[in-house]
Amino acid sequence: DQQVKQNSPSLSVQEGRISILNCDYTNSMFDYFLWYKKYPAEGPTFLISISSIKDKNEDGRFTVFLNKSAKHLSLHIVPSQPGDSAVYFCAASAGKTDKLIFGTGTRLQVFP
Amino acid sequence: NAGVMQNPRHLVRRRGQEARLRCSPMKGHSHVYWYRQLPEEGLKFMVYLQKENIIDESGMPKERFSAEFPKEGPSILRIQQVVRGDSAAYFCASSPTRGSFYGYTFGSGTRLTVV
Repeated sequence: DQQVKQNSPSLSVQEGRISILNCDYTNSMFDYFLWYKKYPAEGPTFLISISSIKDKNEDGRFTVFLNKSAKHLSLHIVPSQPGDSAVYFCAASAGKTDKLIFGTGTRLQVFP
Repeated sequence: NAGVMQNPRHLVRRRGQEARLRCSPMKGHSHVYWYRQLPEEGLKFMVYLQKENIIDESGMPKERFSAEFPKEGPSILRIQQVVRGDSAAYFCASSPTRGSFYGYTFGSGTRLTVV
């Protein structure tokens, strides 16, 4: 039972353009969402998060949008840079739990 | 200020042997979480520990797997009698507080290969 889904295993974007990574979830109890970036042979690195009381959070080139009615969130990277090439994981948590539920990841490649 | 330290980075074990994975949390962090990433999958929660206590082990397989976080020293994830299906990347994360993902930091992982 995959509660957090990232249906696009890969995405290729030209440098300078916008990258949009999508994530869907099924558990309506999720109230906090995070995006992590992961390079090969390294651990995930926190990128940006959003609480369910918000619908948008922005940090520099990164913006996360949350649509609770559709149980969907997206990460926008503008402008995309070659150094953004990595695997991006969406993760969610519910209530006072201490664990994260991860999606399967989307591999982003930004080419010149 | 070192981050979360995991060792070894790579571990090869034959079927039936034991694997011990170590995790030293960031300084000041007393909460440790273990996750496993199977090939082509996302990370899956295994266990959450505080010093000398297992708080949530709902993601741990019922047999062969155990975890501890002693008063002194690193947290240890122990896998007895390893099988090929245990081959995965095991990540540890630590945080300074419970119930908040602010400051939740992952280590670089241990890649276990069972041959």
